[in-house]
Amino acid sequence: GENVEQHPSTLSVQEGDSAVIKCTYSDSASNYFPWYKQELGKGPQLIIDIRSNVGEKKDQRIAVTLNKTAKHFSLHITETQPEDSAVYFCAASTPGSSNTGKLIFGQGTTLQVKP
Amino acid sequence: DSGVTQTPKHLITATGQRVTLRCSPRSGDLSVYWYQQSLDQGLQFLIQYYNGEERAKGNILERFSAQQFPDLHSELNLSSLELGDSALYFCASSELTGRYGEAFFGQGTRLTVV
Repeated sequence: GENVEQHPSTLSVQEGDSAVIKCTYSDSASNYFPWYKQELGKGPQLIIDIRSNVGEKKDQRIAVTLNKTAKHFSLHITETQPEDSAVYFCAASTPGSSNTGKLIFGQGTTLQVKP
Repeated sequence: DSGVTQTPKHLITATGQRVTLRCSPRSGDLSVYWYQQSLDQGLQFLIQYYNGEERAKGNILERFSAQQFPDLHSELNLSSLELGDSALYFCASSELTGRYGEAFFGQGTRLTVV
């Protein structure tokens, strides 16, 4: 079935460094890949997304890359700040015959940015 | 604020009981999704409704059911509760069936079964 693997499970960086989180999906028909940030006690917040017809997308300090051939996509955060500390989830959506838009999530990465 | 409202925020109940979780989607969103988040399972898709009709089902137990009402709010009913049902339950909404992809999550309901 559909599966999304996410690595690493925890990541600790110094403030100002870059952080990279990688995901691999199993269903080659997947065409939408969002990233969510979840802070303690809150719901997941959409921070960036990419569709399968695009290889890279950037929004200020965050960027996402997609390699459809390898079925990999990655989140890149540059110039990390303490407020970037949170759990990050990747997800994949496969339209299927009914185009449901349901998301299959990775297991999450706990990012700690040390001041 | 995502615009998705979930109530209650916290719920403590005993094994064997039944509870109802409520979700109001963002204004104009026709799709509602329910997800369960537990420590060891991450975010698991349970069920989706679109404009009042069930559209997709995930790993939802038979003890769980959901519905979406004409005003588009949705309820998730959990019955014969077990200790293992303790988790965060999130509702998300999106504009259409997911063609545009973006799903926005509520703050969640933390369910504790004792």
